[in-house]
Amino acid sequence: RKEVEQDPGPFNVPEGATVAFNCTYSNSASQSFFWYRQDCRKEPKLLMSVYSSGNEDGRFTAQLNRASQYISLLIRDSKLSDSATYLCGVKGTNAGKSTFGDGTTLTVKP
Amino acid sequence: GAVVSQHPSRVICKSGTSVKIECRSLDFQATTMFWYRQFPKQSLMLMATSNEGSKATYEQGVEKDKFLINHASLTLSTLTVTSAHPEDSSFYICSASTSGGINEQFFGPGTRLTVL
Repeated sequence: RKEVEQDPGPFNVPEGATVAFNCTYSNSASQSFFWYRQDCRKEPKLLMSVYSSGNEDGRFTAQLNRASQYISLLIRDSKLSDSATYLCGVKGTNAGKSTFGDGTTLTVKP
Repeated sequence: GAVVSQHPSRVICKSGTSVKIECRSLDFQATTMFWYRQFPKQSLMLMATSNEGSKATYEQGVEKDKFLINHASLTLSTLTVTSAHPEDSSFYICSASTSGGINEQFFGPGTRLTVL
């Protein structure tokens, strides 16, 4: 079993749709959680950190469920520009390395 | 967010040559940097953790004599792919963490290596 698992998709949704991605992690001692966005042939860019209380940034909402060991990303009112691969990252300690999922591919269509 | 640069952005070389990739943190000091490799349509694979002033920590299966890492200062880490072969062709990305509580990683723009 991989340390961090994501549904690879692809998710194909129409503009304006709401879409949610989940990511599960196996290490219960994990401390920090992140969502990254990666466009084709580019580096990952931090989308948002994920806090225990959940957090929202515009159309994006991230949630953490420690009991079930998963994090989620909700995108509301999808835009064409949201098309990308979304990676979840999990860090064991503040100074340690992050482990990434394989990514979930989202395509938003007109 | 913090800025990480990488140079060169693209390299095309002949089999057998060595390629050096630089990773710099531009507006912060990074005691730890990470080197990843990503093949097309695959996930990021951590190769090694680069620690300033000490030896790098390599992931299982990564040859330390082939992928030489040097972290000479708090803002610079280098990865040298020695005697590159076509199977080393990949997208190499470095990242660094800022100090502080959140410690998210910021990625460099990556180096696309093609070995002929």
